[in-house]
Amino acid sequence: EAGVTQSPTHLIKTRGQQATLRCSPISGHTSVYWYQQALGLGLQFLLWYDEGEERNRGNFPPRFSGRQFPNYSSELNVNALELEDSALYLCASSLAGWYLDGQFFGPGTRLTVL
Amino acid sequence: AQKITQTQPGMFVQEKEAVTLDCTYDTSDPSYGLFWYKQPSSGEMIFLIYQGSYDQQNATEGRYSLNFQKARKSANLVISASQLGDSAMYFCATISHLQGAQKLVFGQGTRLTINP
Repeated sequence: EAGVTQSPTHLIKTRGQQATLRCSPISGHTSVYWYQQALGLGLQFLLWYDEGEERNRGNFPPRFSGRQFPNYSSELNVNALELEDSALYLCASSLAGWYLDGQFFGPGTRLTVL
Repeated sequence: AQKITQTQPGMFVQEKEAVTLDCTYDTSDPSYGLFWYKQPSSGEMIFLIYQGSYDQQNATEGRYSLNFQKARKSANLVISASQLGDSAMYFCATISHLQGAQKLVFGQGTRLTINP
């Protein structure tokens, strides 16, 4: 069974540009989560999508947004990039009642803002 | 709000020894879950073990066990017979089951190094 996949692996942008990160969940998983792991700050919850709807949002500005497609894959968009947006962005997926099995993470997209 | 505290930034252990990684949590939710994840240098988060707040027995998964002490609000991870491949960052996390929150709150992590 294929795991969670993310693309691209690395992304280099300059300040003010927009970045788009993509995530494909494990087959059968309907929920997708996005986390930011900035250096020295640990993992911070960004967004949760389930059945195409945004269900919960972390403490991030509106320029962080996303969507979930009918096939449950998801996109994270970051507008007006700032230097502090440089981080590893991790996507995770889960089934309903997932807390028994955990959230399953992808390998991440490393975003560098110059 | 939930909070996870991992007080050991780094640990060094000899191969084949057992190791305990500390985790304390703070939550006002009556129902919650506790998780441990491993993050190798590649960056991927690997789910290791889960403990529910109402579980009577400590969770075990192979060489991993979770020493859950509810009164002390601690959920330490024990790795028996450590291996070189266990070298990684380890994160403790919690989730609330209320309101379908469904978000994980992570600690700052512990970097474990296994020496041959």
